[in-house]
Amino acid sequence: SAVISQKPSRDICQRGTSLTIQCQVDSQVTMMFWYRQQPGQSLTLIATANQGSEATYESGFVIDKFPISRPNLTFSTLTVSNMSPEDSSIYLCSVDPAGRTEAFFGQGTRLTVV
Amino acid sequence: SQQGEEDPQALSIQEGENATMNCSYKTSINNLQWYRQNSGRGLVHLILIRSNEREKHSGRLRVTLDTSKKSSSLLITASRAADTASYFCATDGSQGAQKLVFGQGTRLTINP
Repeated sequence: SAVISQKPSRDICQRGTSLTIQCQVDSQVTMMFWYRQQPGQSLTLIATANQGSEATYESGFVIDKFPISRPNLTFSTLTVSNMSPEDSSIYLCSVDPAGRTEAFFGQGTRLTVV
Repeated sequence: SQQGEEDPQALSIQEGENATMNCSYKTSINNLQWYRQNSGRGLVHLILIRSNEREKHSGRLRVTLDTSKKSSSLLITASRAADTASYFCATDGSQGAQKLVFGQGTRLTINP
């Protein structure tokens, strides 16, 4: 299994500002995934973070809005830039360790933009 | 995309009763998984069923998969108050657990 530490667990931010969310894994993983969960909705994949290369973004998500860093095999950050109230969501990081078919999730970051 | 759909969206039952949730998906899959989410926190993996399996059990959980109908069901027997949570199905393609596509989820409430 994999233990994921995600922080902050929650934050209230002013519109126009940016928030960086950190995700730390207790083992090396090739890929890390960032999801958004809007209020009352399901999870939507934002991007896949690969170590040593640019993140791969899903349709509807762009690097300028959600820049991602992946400096090593155990850590990644997601920044929510120039926030608006529509960005209020839970953001989750996830990994699927080699040899495992299930995914492991961080506890999520509940973001409220006011 | 192979966005899954789940029904019901919300389910409220008495403690001790069984809870059944359904999931449908659109395209071919390798695996279908069920996850639980408590109060908007991280997801916890419950059970995985492979495309060549029809039924799987884990404790009080029973999952079925009908690939001809592109549907799955999750049965929780003898429900407990602690089972109150949101339940999501998730499908993957040919790349294992990568890039999971989640269903809309079922909000389950167990009344004491």
